[in-house]
Amino acid sequence: NAGVTQTPKFRVLKTGQSMTLLCAQDMNHEYMYWYRQDPGMGLRLIHYSVGEGTTAKGEVPDGYNVSRLKKQNFLLGLESAAPSQTSVYFCASESPQVNTEAFFGQGTRLTVV
Amino acid sequence: RKEVEQDPGPFNVPEGATVAFNCTYSNSASQSFFWYRQDCRKEPKLLMSVYSSGNEDGRFTAQLNRASQYISLLIRDSKLSDSATYLCVVNMGTGRRALTFGSGTRLQVQP
Repeated sequence: NAGVTQTPKFRVLKTGQSMTLLCAQDMNHEYMYWYRQDPGMGLRLIHYSVGEGTTAKGEVPDGYNVSRLKKQNFLLGLESAAPSQTSVYFCASESPQVNTEAFFGQGTRLTVV
Repeated sequence: RKEVEQDPGPFNVPEGATVAFNCTYSNSASQSFFWYRQDCRKEPKLLMSVYSSGNEDGRFTAQLNRASQYISLLIRDSKLSDSATYLCVVNMGTGRRALTFGSGTRLQVQP
């Protein structure tokens, strides 16, 4: 049971470079999320998707884009990386039922220099 | 005001102690409540859901007070392995299902 898989696990980018983080889930979940976690600030929602082909902005969407072309995949893109985007990124998925568990990927540690 | 607030701690307690964490939330329409556990440099994992009637799972007890808009987590007989950050998580029920996280309370259980 893979659950939620994120790739890559670590990455160092130079300012201005672009990259895509991939999240894949095999639980047939409708909802998928991208969060970032910074020291002392908890997890903050970047973008989310409530189904294939749909995406929406979360709390801190600036500088990021997302796509959900397939139900099992949710991609997070950084078009022009900035040092402020240095963070740990977590993807999560859950089913639409109330009181269900959200499952998280293992995280991607991104450093922008 | 943050939507979900927690005391960041750290709470340093000896093995065997009882420790309690509280969390307050701002949206009275919130529908679902959870405690997640996060170990250092790992992903969050569900510890337990919190129901209006309260619920217990072994040494862990969670309670919800809708009138005062807070939830609590009680850990009895603390173990070294309980050392982690505990995240209060709320589904704000605003028409989109996205979980809102508190910044976490760090627990350190000492021998």
